[in-house]
Amino acid sequence: SQQGEEDPQALSIQEGENATMNCSYKTSINNLQWYRQNSGRGLVHLILIRSNEREKHSGRLRVTLDTSKKSSSLLITASRAADTASYFCATDATGTASKLTFGTGTRLQVTL
Amino acid sequence: DADVTQTPRNRITKTGKRIMLECSQTKGHDRMYWYRQDPGLGLRLIYYSFDVKDINKGEISDGYSVSRQAQAKFSLSLESAIPNQTALYFCATSDLRQGADTQYFGPGTRLTVL
Repeated sequence: SQQGEEDPQALSIQEGENATMNCSYKTSINNLQWYRQNSGRGLVHLILIRSNEREKHSGRLRVTLDTSKKSSSLLITASRAADTASYFCATDATGTASKLTFGTGTRLQVTL
Repeated sequence: DADVTQTPRNRITKTGKRIMLECSQTKGHDRMYWYRQDPGLGLRLIYYSFDVKDINKGEISDGYSVSRQAQAKFSLSLESAIPNQTALYFCATSDLRQGADTQYFGPGTRLTVL
């Protein structure tokens, strides 16, 4: 079963706007990661946030983690057409020998 | 050259055929994984290997087998392919020495079983 569930399933915005996608999970985690997938291609790691961290930044990406609510959000600021992709959260749950469990993804479409 | 490669990239086969998907990596990572991706279901773990002598079943291992021929090579076999194994298959690697299980993915193999 999926550990993470992303919301929304699909998001369409215009270039320059911010995109926010959310991830909810079910069990305690060591860390939570976000990956990006361009259509039909392999996933690429974007950012990792550990369970004792609340916010992390990387370029135009901002990730927050609320372990009490078992949720995370990924914010992409000043989006570009090249950000069009699917975004997946993945959780490294405690006691799972560091295996990642991926959510179902958010499809982001950025239009000019 | 890509760090994680998969062959073939596309394969069409018939029900009942045996098929092998291969994965090679030049990253020197100990850990390797096989996932399948179906529309709307995200990635699901089939098998994983933490070193050459360590093979473990994932969430959906039925109908699949694997072989870790060397640190750099991890193959996935479908002994008798069936149509519901039509999917996009990904190999990934990771190195826990980096402190977390950040995974690096191959380009994928698109498998169609007729």
